[in-house]
Amino acid sequence: DAKTTQPNSMESNEEEPVHLPCNHSTISGTDYIHWYRQLPSQGPEYVIHGLTSNVNNRMASLAIAEDRKSSTLILHRATLRDAAVYYCILRDSGNTGKLIFGQGTTLQVKP
Amino acid sequence: GAGVSQSPSNKVTEKGKDVELRCDPISGHTALYWYRQSLGQGLEFLIYFQGNSAPDKSGLPSDRFSAERTGGSVSTLTIQRTQQEDSAVYLCASGEVWANVLTFGAGSRLTVL
Repeated sequence: DAKTTQPNSMESNEEEPVHLPCNHSTISGTDYIHWYRQLPSQGPEYVIHGLTSNVNNRMASLAIAEDRKSSTLILHRATLRDAAVYYCILRDSGNTGKLIFGQGTTLQVKP
Repeated sequence: GAGVSQSPSNKVTEKGKDVELRCDPISGHTALYWYRQSLGQGLEFLIYFQGNSAPDKSGLPSDRFSAERTGGSVSTLTIQRTQQEDSAVYLCASGEVWANVLTFGAGSRLTVL
């Protein structure tokens, strides 16, 4: 399974943008890049996904490098509720569609 | 229901006992996944169901672990002869066929004394 690399932790100030990086140098052509987040004591929550083009939704934006070997999740205005572990995942290009989680990035948001 | 429901939310058991954990996926979701999250760790894939069949059981850690799904809906994860290292949060997720979004339940926290 293709692997991703993320920083263990990041800090942000409330109401400032946050850029969460992810490296995935072994990505294959059919792998989608997914981001999930896990708030304390909850199950993971879908954030966004993309293949080649940048994507925007109500929660975040996803910027994908032209060579697809890295991507960045962008939270435009961090709130205290955004404090969570953020997982960058390459969705299994086999038959199961399973998500293989790494350690993720723990985001702290300071008031 | 509106989301993935898991029960029990908390289970404390003694070493050697059997436990059953239940997952009620979102209606119509044919894909169902079980994961395990030990304290302070990431999520570990256990098993994948498509309908009632399990084409990927590669994450089950030992033969003490088994799972079934009936009627293409409810799934039960069974752990026999529980050990202390089985203590973890067991999470279930469901999705439509080849959907890009999986919805997770809140998990079942298992503590083996």
